[in-house]
Amino acid sequence: DAGVIQSPRHEVTEMGQEVTLRCKPISGHDYLFWYRQTMMRGLELLIYFNNNVPIDDSGMPEDRFSAKMPNASFSTLKIQPSEPRDSAVYFCASSWGGGNANYGYTFGSGTRLTVV
Amino acid sequence: AQSVTQLDSQVPVFEEAPVELRCNYSSSVSVYLFWYVQYPNQGLQLLLKYLSGSTLVKGINGFEAEFNKSQTSFHLRKPSVHISDTAEYFCAVSRTGGFKTIFGAGTRLFVKA
Repeated sequence: DAGVIQSPRHEVTEMGQEVTLRCKPISGHDYLFWYRQTMMRGLELLIYFNNNVPIDDSGMPEDRFSAKMPNASFSTLKIQPSEPRDSAVYFCASSWGGGNANYGYTFGSGTRLTVV
Repeated sequence: AQSVTQLDSQVPVFEEAPVELRCNYSSSVSVYLFWYVQYPNQGLQLLLKYLSGSTLVKGINGFEAEFNKSQTSFHLRKPSVHISDTAEYFCAVSRTGGFKTIFGAGTRLFVKA
C-alpha cells in the first residue's frame, strides 16, 4: 500500500482565497482524521470520520472550515475564506477500527499551507 | 477528557548513550497510550502502543516504553541512541475503546556525535 496520500504537499495562497486539501486513506481503514500542526498550538484534532460519517468536528476552528468524505477512499478539508492565521501543516491520518480498539494511526506527509 | 504532558521540550544526548523521554497523562477512565516519531518535513510514524496486557511495550528502532498506572506515566527509553534517532517524539493518549487521540507538545531529541 502507498500509505496515506495527501495533496498538495505545499500550498501558498492569498488571504480570502478558497483552499482545498485532499487525502486518500489506506484501503480498508475505516477511520480518517484531520489534524493541524503549528508551533504555538502543537497537534490539534480538527475532525474525524468513521465509515465516511463525521463523528466529532468539535475541533474545527470556525465556519470557514469544512470537511467531507464522499467515499471510503477520499476526503477533503476546505477553508473558505482563508486567513493568515490558518497557516500550518495539515495532516490526514487513517486507522483501522477492528475489534473496537485504537491500534494507532498512519499519517500522511502533510500539506504545508501558507496564507499571505 | 484526557490530556498528556511531555516533561521535556528538548533532550540533547550523545550518540550511544541511553535516553529517556518522559510522558505523564491524565484521565478519569482507562486509556490507550502511544509514542510517535516525526522526522523533519514528514508525517508522524507510530513507534509503539500500549492497549492492555504487559506494561513493558517494545516498538520499532529499539525503543521501549513502560506503562505505570500508579504514576500515570508512559516514559520512552532506548539503551543506546544513534544520530539517526534525532527527531521529535510525541506521546499520545486515547480512552480505551476510543479513537480520538490527544497528542502531547512533543520532545525534540537531539543526538550529538
